[in-house]
Amino acid sequence: RKEVEQDPGPFNVPEGATVAFNCTYSNSASQSFFWYRQDCRKEPKLLMSVYSSGNEDGRFTAQLNRASQYISLLIRDSKLSDSATYLCVVNTTSGTYKYIFGTGTRLKVLA
Amino acid sequence: GAGVSQSPSNKVTEKGKDVELRCDPISGHTALYWYRQRLGQGLEFLIYFQGNSAPDKSGLPSDRFSAERTGESVSTLTIQRTQQEDSAVYLCASSQGREANYGYTFGSGTRLTVV
Repeated sequence: RKEVEQDPGPFNVPEGATVAFNCTYSNSASQSFFWYRQDCRKEPKLLMSVYSSGNEDGRFTAQLNRASQYISLLIRDSKLSDSATYLCVVNTTSGTYKYIFGTGTRLKVLA
Repeated sequence: GAGVSQSPSNKVTEKGKDVELRCDPISGHTALYWYRQRLGQGLEFLIYFQGNSAPDKSGLPSDRFSAERTGESVSTLTIQRTQQEDSAVYLCASSQGREANYGYTFGSGTRLTVV
């Protein structure tokens, strides 16, 4: 099993729709979680951290489910500019302490 | 500097040649990562430096790949005897510490093409 798994998509949604992605992780000891956004042919950029109690930043909501070992990202009122690949990042304690990126979920918001 | 700087931004090399990629992390960032991203694929972890600790080299795909870091500053990734399958974007990222509570900052990458 991969340490971090994501549905590659693409998720094609109309403007204004609500869309959610999940990301599962295998290490139950993981403590730190992030969502990154990567535009085509660009480097990844931090979108938001994921806190235990869940957190919101404008139209974006991130949640953590420790029991089922997944994190989620919810995007409300999708904009064309939200089209990108969304990467989840989880820390791992196997070997040295480091972070593992998922392969990303591609989102296309359609006009 | 203000961000993570990588050079060169693009590199075309002939199969069998050695290449050296450079990363200048944000000043004061103790953690530095190298990743590889092939076209249309996810990020593949290569190597991780944290302060003066021994680097985690567990992601390096073969002994043709090596990386060094001078203290908490510049890092170089060297690929010897390049192969066509080495063609990818090589991304460097740095963070303030092991916990990376503020996430990583990525450089814009070096696009390597082996012909």
